[in-house]
Amino acid sequence: DQQVKQNSPSLSVQEGRISILNCDYTNSMFDYFLWYKKYPAEGPTFLISISSIKDKNEDGRFTVFLNKSAKHLSLHIVPSQPGDSAVYFCAAEASGGSNYKLTFGKGTLLTVNP
Amino acid sequence: NAGVMQNPRHLVRRRGQEARLRCSPVKGHSHVYWYRQLPEEGLKFMVYLQKENIIDESGMPKERFSAEFPKEGPSILRIQQVVRGDSAAYFCASSPTGTADTEAFFGQGTRLTVV
Repeated sequence: DQQVKQNSPSLSVQEGRISILNCDYTNSMFDYFLWYKKYPAEGPTFLISISSIKDKNEDGRFTVFLNKSAKHLSLHIVPSQPGDSAVYFCAAEASGGSNYKLTFGKGTLLTVNP
Repeated sequence: NAGVMQNPRHLVRRRGQEARLRCSPVKGHSHVYWYRQLPEEGLKFMVYLQKENIIDESGMPKERFSAEFPKEGPSILRIQQVVRGDSAAYFCASSPTGTADTEAFFGQGTRLTVV
């Protein structure tokens, strides 16, 4: 039962263009969402997050959009750079209390071509 | 300024042996989380520990798996009598608090292979 779904296993874009990574969730209790970036043989690195009280959060080249009614979020990277090539994981959490328990999607492999 | 340190990076065990995975959190972090990533899957939560306490072990198999985070020393994830299905990457993360608005830092993972 996948509560967080990343339906595109891979995405390829040209350097300088926009990368859009999508994520859907089914659990309406999720109220905090995160994106992690992972290089091979390394652990995930936090990229950006968004609370359910917002619909957009921006940090430099990275912007996350949240559409609560559609239970959908997306990560935009612009302009894309070859160093952005990695697996991107969407994660969600039902903060509720003090627990910190992330539910991850399966990831999308982004390849940025020079 | 060391991040989360996991060792060993790679571990090979024969079926039936025990596997011990170690995690030293970021200095000053008292909250530790273990996740498992099976091939072609996302990371799945296993257990959340604070110093000397297990807070949430809802993602950990009831048998053969145990975790601890003693007052002194690293957190340990222990898998007894390993089976081939335990082959996975095991990631540890730590944070200064247990709330979602503080970033969790992940280690590089331990890749367990059961032969």
